Amino acid sequence: DAMVIQNPRYQVTQFGKPVTLSCSQTLNHNVMYWYQQKSSQAPKLLFHYYDKDFNNEADTPDNFQSRRPNTSFCFLDIRSPGLGDAAMYLCATSRLLHTDTQYFGPGTRLTVL
Amino acid sequence: AQSVTQPDIHITVSEGASLELRCNYSYGATPYLFWYVQSPGQGLQLLLKYFSGDTLVQGIKGFEAEFKRSQSSFNLRKPSVHWSDAAEYFCAVGNSGNTPLVFGKGTRLSVIA
Repeated sequence: DAMVIQNPRYQVTQFGKPVTLSCSQTLNHNVMYWYQQKSSQAPKLLFHYYDKDFNNEADTPDNFQSRRPNTSFCFLDIRSPGLGDAAMYLCATSRLLHTDTQYFGPGTRLTVL
Repeated sequence: AQSVTQPDIHITVSEGASLELRCNYSYGATPYLFWYVQSPGQGLQLLLKYFSGDTLVQGIKGFEAEFKRSQSSFNLRKPSVHWSDAAEYFCAVGNSGNTPLVFGKGTRLSVIA
């Protein structure tokens, strides 16, 4: 089945230790998004790629970076995780930017010790 | 700027009872409206969406929603709730421009026997 896969499902890191989260898709969608979702809150868009074009949301901290080496893969890098970065990180894809149905992966739960 | 309000943080219904989850949006033109469901520890899954046309939209898992422009609402309904419907439900609004989806804060649904 075509899908969005996130690895790992659970990630534990130490305060200040860089971490990378992975997302892959078999849908061949143009757009890939990264959301941060804290407990009992709505998903918050961090950034997205439309093909190779990167768009950072205005309030996304510089601590968060992303890479998309090809259509299928997208990575979220957190350079120096703080305790406040503990959250669920959701990857999503869509064919068209923003207006189209978004297909979400199962998420990566990040714990910062 | 568009916004979404889900007035109910938490709703509890009995299995077999009917369900209505409220969603109100603020947007000047015709919005693109979505309902997503999120089971615990999982990503979001699209239930249904409205872009144009018939204001009563049918979705997966027996859900439907009705777009009411006069009330700026897009309430989600199900005639008979199953225990497996217990989850978090998010309403989201988009538009034809290149602005991100705006998610509501979600309504948590509990189902009791």
